[in-house]
Amino acid sequence: GDSVTQMEGPVTLSEEAFLTINCTYTATGYPSLFWYVQYPGEGLQLLLKATKADDKGSNKGFEATYRKETTSFHLEKGSVQVSDSAVYFCALDQAGTALIFGKGTTLSVSS
Amino acid sequence: SQTIHQWPATLVQPVGSPLSLECTVEGTSNPNLYWYRQAAGRGLQLLFYSVGIGQISSEVPQNLSASRPQDRQFILSSKKLLLSDSGFYLCACDRAPYGYTFGSGTRLTVV
Repeated sequence: GDSVTQMEGPVTLSEEAFLTINCTYTATGYPSLFWYVQYPGEGLQLLLKATKADDKGSNKGFEATYRKETTSFHLEKGSVQVSDSAVYFCALDQAGTALIFGKGTTLSVSS
Repeated sequence: SQTIHQWPATLVQPVGSPLSLECTVEGTSNPNLYWYRQAAGRGLQLLFYSVGIGQISSEVPQNLSASRPQDRQFILSSKKLLLSDSGFYLCACDRAPYGYTFGSGTRLTVV
């Protein structure tokens, strides 16, 4: 079945460092891809999304490009802040099914 | 836009006790509704989803059940909790054109 694989965490960075969180997927069709963020003690918030190949989603300085050839949707940010500390989930949405999530990657940014 | 209300935020229950978590949706009608669980180190796991009143699909066999007595109400229940039921429970809804919206979650600790 469809699945999402994320890099294992935790990821620990200093403020202003470059961030990459890898995400790859397996799907039979052409899913939409998402990154969700979960701040401490809160539910999930949509960070960005891409609905077709080569689309780039972006929000709050984060970016991810839908790469069909490598079945990837890696999350990047050029300069992280302490306030970016959270758990990040990659997810896919295939028409007619529920969101399928990766296991989540914990990011910790120190000043 | 759609809003999800989920309560309680935290809950500590003894093993063998019953459980009832409620989720209500505002701002939309006929949404698809979901219950996810986030257990330590296991990411987000889909437990149940519903496409309409009284229609429940279970993804994972377990001692939990779900009900949808009204269009915008989704309830997660258990007759007897197990230690392994501990986790963070998230309700979500999906309705075009809003996409997915998540509740703020309930942290359940079974002791």
